[in-house]
Amino acid sequence: QQPVQSPQAVILREGEDAVINCSSSKALYSVHWYRQKHGEAPVFLMILLKGGEQKGHDKISASFNEKKQQSSLYLTASQLSYSGTYFCGTVSGSARQLTFGSGTQLTVLP
Amino acid sequence: DVKVTQSSRYLVKRTGEKVFLECVQDMDHENMFWYRQDPGLGLRLIYFSYDVKMKEKGDIPEGYSVSREKKERFSLILESASTNQTSMYLCASSLVGTGFYEQYFGPGTRLTVT
Repeated sequence: QQPVQSPQAVILREGEDAVINCSSSKALYSVHWYRQKHGEAPVFLMILLKGGEQKGHDKISASFNEKKQQSSLYLTASQLSYSGTYFCGTVSGSARQLTFGSGTQLTVLP
Repeated sequence: DVKVTQSSRYLVKRTGEKVFLECVQDMDHENMFWYRQDPGLGLRLIYFSYDVKMKEKGDIPEGYSVSREKKERFSLILESASTNQTSMYLCASSLVGTGFYEQYFGPGTRLTVT
């Protein structure tokens, strides 16, 4: 079963913040985040492991709430280059596969 | 530089044709994956392979088969293409241990079945 992402789409101005959420009905082992720009392949952002700490690089960070089986991606002071579709992927139990959500389309306007 | 390549960026086939999509990675990765991407549905896993000649079904394997004869190459086969298989197909690879390691994606093949 696919994780649920919200919102489906968000539009913001340069410099504004955004939060993208990902939730699953299954007990999760790890959560992955990817960004895909139009016409390009998805690119890895970060992995959060069960029992791990909040991660981040530059102005993009993420958290993983194991009790709620939820993860959130935080984009602060958005830049034009942040535009794209963000996907979370989840790994549960002993599964060897990554199950992706349907994506959140983020548009940053000047 | 890490690289996953796919044989075609665009492909047009007729209903009933047998279609081969090829994927090659140069990172010596154990895992390889085939996804299809449709608007509003995200990326859905068709098949994956964790070793040569080993494969497992993903979430939507119906109508597809795969082949992995060499570590670097993973092929997706549509035995008899149908119009509902018109989609973007993405190949990916990773080190063994799906939960731990990032996946590297190829540029995708946009397949149109008429």
